[in-house]
Amino acid sequence: DVKVTQSSRYLVKRTGEKVFLECVQDMDHENMFWYRQDPGLGLRLIYFSYDVKMKEKGDIPEGYSVSREKKERFSLILESASTNQTSMYLCASKDRDEQYFGPGTRLTVT
Amino acid sequence: QKEVEQNSGPLSVPEGAIASLNCTYSDRVSQSFFWYRQYSGKSPELIMSIYSNGDKEDGRFTAQLNKASQYVSLLIRDSQPSDSATYLCAVNFIRGGNKLTFGTGTQLKVEL
Repeated sequence: DVKVTQSSRYLVKRTGEKVFLECVQDMDHENMFWYRQDPGLGLRLIYFSYDVKMKEKGDIPEGYSVSREKKERFSLILESASTNQTSMYLCASKDRDEQYFGPGTRLTVT
Repeated sequence: QKEVEQNSGPLSVPEGAIASLNCTYSDRVSQSFFWYRQYSGKSPELIMSIYSNGDKEDGRFTAQLNKASQYVSLLIRDSQPSDSATYLCAVNFIRGGNKLTFGTGTQLKVEL
């Protein structure tokens, strides 16, 4: 069974704080993804990585950065959190075909 | 035109009926197709994948793919209230590399 875990289910941060969201997968998948999901907007891809130390921008990378130092771990960083980054953040891991999501982190920025 | 389109719903069906969820996609050259179920407040869960034309059955779920017409559908037989969720269609376009493109989802409500 594929397992994707995320460091927190719920997180509350203040505007301007630096925020780290961690994601770990245990299936040796090459590809990992960070999405955010907002009502009415669906899933939007922030960044993805197809190998260690490799990263590519998704559709909405502004205000975010990522880090992939080890194959199993993909981190999303909000350099200076803003209220418009309040959202559900979903990490996913993918083999050649199938993609699996972590449980999500609901981030609130006040 | 969106690359992957779904009717947002809600689609309401009575318990025990067949629910039919549809998805159309823009690029004829696509290689793999997926259905995810997402309960409110939870993350998407992969329930079906289909790679070739025709039907694929798994329990109460049947995925149907028609590449010529560029649509993929999900049938849920004997619908249960526990099937009430949002169903996301996802397509792996060949030109998209290893990224899935998601539709915005169809909300299904199964009523007693």
